[in-house]
Amino acid sequence: GNSVTQMEGPVTLSEEAFLTINCTYTATGYPSLFWYVQYPGEGLQLLLKATKADDKGSNKGFEATYRKETTSFHLEKGSVQVSDSAVYFCALRGAYGGSQGNLIFGKGTKLSVKP
Amino acid sequence: NAGVMQNPRHLVRRRGQEARLRCSPMKGHSHVYWYRQLPEEGLKFMVYLQKENIIDESGMPKERFSAEFPKEGPSILRIQQVVRGDSAAYFCASSPGRGGSGNTIYFGEGSWLTVV
Repeated sequence: GNSVTQMEGPVTLSEEAFLTINCTYTATGYPSLFWYVQYPGEGLQLLLKATKADDKGSNKGFEATYRKETTSFHLEKGSVQVSDSAVYFCALRGAYGGSQGNLIFGKGTKLSVKP
Repeated sequence: NAGVMQNPRHLVRRRGQEARLRCSPMKGHSHVYWYRQLPEEGLKFMVYLQKENIIDESGMPKERFSAEFPKEGPSILRIQQVVRGDSAAYFCASSPGRGGSGNTIYFGEGSWLTVV
């Protein structure tokens, strides 16, 4: 079945440091891939997405590239800010109907950015 | 354009009571999903519904939990005879269609259930 594995946290960085959160997946066909962010006490917000191989999703300085050959969708940001402190979830959505319609999430990676 | 609306945001129930969580999808969305987030864990899929149909309930506990998405009105997640282990954040999400075509799923802000 489909699954998502992301690096475990917590990750603690200083402001302006480079961020990478690794995410790999297992899926049949060509799933869509997503990163969601959850700020403390809030719901999930879509951060970025990619729907086919070699697509790059980007938003708010974050980027992730859909790598079919390595089944990966790593999240990167060149210079993090304190306001980026949150939990980041990698997720996939299957390409086919039926039970593939829902999102499969990784366990989340908590990021803390220190000033 | 309002997003996915959930209410109540916070709900406290005593053991044995019933909890009802409501979700209104985004305008134009006909697919609704419920997820549960236990403390310090990721989100787990519970159920996927279309209007008047349950498409996939493979993540729903076999007892005490039910969900519906009627022709009119919001989707309801119902938990009967709540126990402390039901304390969690319950997130509703919606999309315009099912898997494929990169249909994005949008989440509500969640309903936090506390069972005392």
